[in-house]
Amino acid sequence: ILNVEQSPQSLHVQEGDSTNFTCSFPSSNFYALHWYRWETAKSPEALFVMTLNGDEKKKGRISATLNTKEGYSYLYIKGSQPEDSATYLCAFPPYTGNQFYFGTGTSLTVIP
Amino acid sequence: DAGVTQSPTHLIKTRGQHVTLRCSPISGHKSVSWYQQVLGQGPQFIFQYYEKEERGRGNFPDRFSARQFPNYSSELNVNALLLGDSALYLCASSYTDRLMNTEAFFGQGTRLTVV
Repeated sequence: ILNVEQSPQSLHVQEGDSTNFTCSFPSSNFYALHWYRWETAKSPEALFVMTLNGDEKKKGRISATLNTKEGYSYLYIKGSQPEDSATYLCAFPPYTGNQFYFGTGTSLTVIP
Repeated sequence: DAGVTQSPTHLIKTRGQHVTLRCSPISGHKSVSWYQQVLGQGPQFIFQYYEKEERGRGNFPDRFSARQFPNYSSELNVNALLLGDSALYLCASSYTDRLMNTEAFFGQGTRLTVV
């Protein structure tokens, strides 16, 4: 069993604030890290697939960075909006590639 | 294009009963995976199927079984239900069975309550 950890567990921010959270994963035998956004009563939505050390990916106001040597990824949201309220999950596929190990998620609430 | 569809969306069963959950992957996707999510935890891997063959199995008892059909849809079966089986069951589809650099797309899940 691989240990994938996310912090913080939950976060409340004011509309317009920028925020970030962390996913930690095993740094050995790294292949990829996936980020998902999961709104209540909806399907988890794929945000990013990150594969290279130093990768930085961006989708609108959301961006992510990757450090495979130290085993962490940051997700940043610039100028948070109420529609950003969701649980953000990271998922780590091991060398077999046939499954994800998920973190417990960071629950973000953006207060109007 | 339809996304990953799961049925039913909600289900209530009694302890000891059997349940079948269904998943239709995105058209063209040959891999289907099943995950269980209980409150406060991330989704836990149950099975992966690719081209109708089991490619991976998580740490779940033999009461859990699955299969994939020629059209790539899949069923998850759970026998002798326990209260602890109450959870959200998610299905994910992907084009290949390797998740290193391919996206996996999830359905909305089936909420199973065992009473």
